Amino acid sequence: DAKTTQPPSMDCAEGRAANLPCNHSTISGNEYVYWYRQIHSQGPQYIIHGLKNNETNEMASLIITEDRKSSTLILPHATLRDTAVYYCTPYAGNMLTFGGGTRLMVKP
Amino acid sequence: GAVVSQHPSRVICKSGTSVKIECRSLDFQATTMFWYRQFPKQSLMLMATSNEGSKATYEQGVEKDKFLINHASLTLSTLTVTSAHPEDSSFYICSAPKSGGRDEKLFFGSGTQLSVL
Repeated sequence: DAKTTQPPSMDCAEGRAANLPCNHSTISGNEYVYWYRQIHSQGPQYIIHGLKNNETNEMASLIITEDRKSSTLILPHATLRDTAVYYCTPYAGNMLTFGGGTRLMVKP
Repeated sequence: GAVVSQHPSRVICKSGTSVKIECRSLDFQATTMFWYRQFPKQSLMLMATSNEGSKATYEQGVEKDKFLINHASLTLSTLTVTSAHPEDSSFYICSAPKSGGRDEKLFFGSGTQLSVL
């Protein structure tokens, strides 16, 4: 059973906000929601994580629903360099597994 | 800068030979490291968990005699693909968790592209 569900692909105009949704309805109480992205032929890069409160850092914002069954990663001003596959995943310090992710294409 | 170093970044070998991939945590100790494999246009698949000082734990369907893992120190884990065949050609990625509690993050190496001829 998939732990997460994400749309396979999304487009975003350069300079606009990119909102990437993730469904993680089976997340456990002690699992954080982590977001990573992978640019072609590179290792995944950490973006942000949260437990139940919304989080913001220099890369993105993370909005987690009150029931924790879904979250949204927000890239406030997408650039061409943000084109990548974005993965959300529950993680509690044991192992991290990846679903299919969302391939975000930022277009000029 | 990178906190997990993986080497080599690319390797081409002949069928039947063995290839060793190294994964190092640069500024922290990692009692556990993870090894993933990724085929083109697919997601990362967890292969095994490397444990310092003990045997690795392999995911279902991953041959432990084929993919030898050694975690000899707190900063180094190695994956050896033994008797490599063309179907072993893939992108191999290691990762290691840094820190603990709510600030724990899993950092990834830059990956190794293995091509078996």
